[in-house]
Amino acid sequence: NAGVTQTPKFQVLKTGQSMTLQCAQDMNHNSMYWYRQDPGMGLRLIYYSASEGTTDKGEVPNGYNVSRLNKREFSLRLESAAPSQTSVYFCASSVGDQQETQYFGPGTRLLVL
Amino acid sequence: EDQVTQSPEALRLQEGESSSLNCSYTVSGLRGLFWYRQDPGKGPEFLFTLYSAGEEKEKERLKATLTKKESFLHITAPKPEDSATYLCAVQARGTYKYIFGTGTRLKVLA
Repeated sequence: NAGVTQTPKFQVLKTGQSMTLQCAQDMNHNSMYWYRQDPGMGLRLIYYSASEGTTDKGEVPNGYNVSRLNKREFSLRLESAAPSQTSVYFCASSVGDQQETQYFGPGTRLLVL
Repeated sequence: EDQVTQSPEALRLQEGESSSLNCSYTVSGLRGLFWYRQDPGKGPEFLFTLYSAGEEKEKERLKATLTKKESFLHITAPKPEDSATYLCAVQARGTYKYIFGTGTRLKVLA
């Protein structure tokens, strides 16, 4: 079991460029999440998908879009990157029932110039 | 408003020197409190879930406890390999969302 995988590991973008961060899980989990982690701010939820076919906004959704491609995959898209989106992005998944422990991927480090 | 505060921000211990990390929370109906360990450049690694006041969980040198207002992560006789950032998160009833604290950076010196 690989758990939660993320690609790419690191990316540099110029302001205004677009990109998609990919996330996949092999634990047959129903729920998936995207977070960003910034120094001194803690992890903040961008979007989540409670189950296949549904997505909802989290705490900081502006500037992002998501797609729950199937049960395994959940992607995060930056349509027009801004320097304020420089961060470390983590994907997580959980079973989706009463036990809501979330399991995290290794992260994508994004630098927007 | 749901909130999580962790203290101290940073902690340096000598190897073998036991201590505790604190996670204070306010949440409208606690569904669960979660502890994670995060190494530099890595994703958070799950340690414990606590669901109700009075509950305790142990794993090697770590023991997590929960009251109605806070949780403690006790580290007994720590080793240098316990050096990491420890994150606390809470989940309110009726939601999938976690609220994270900013973490405690622990450094254990040999």
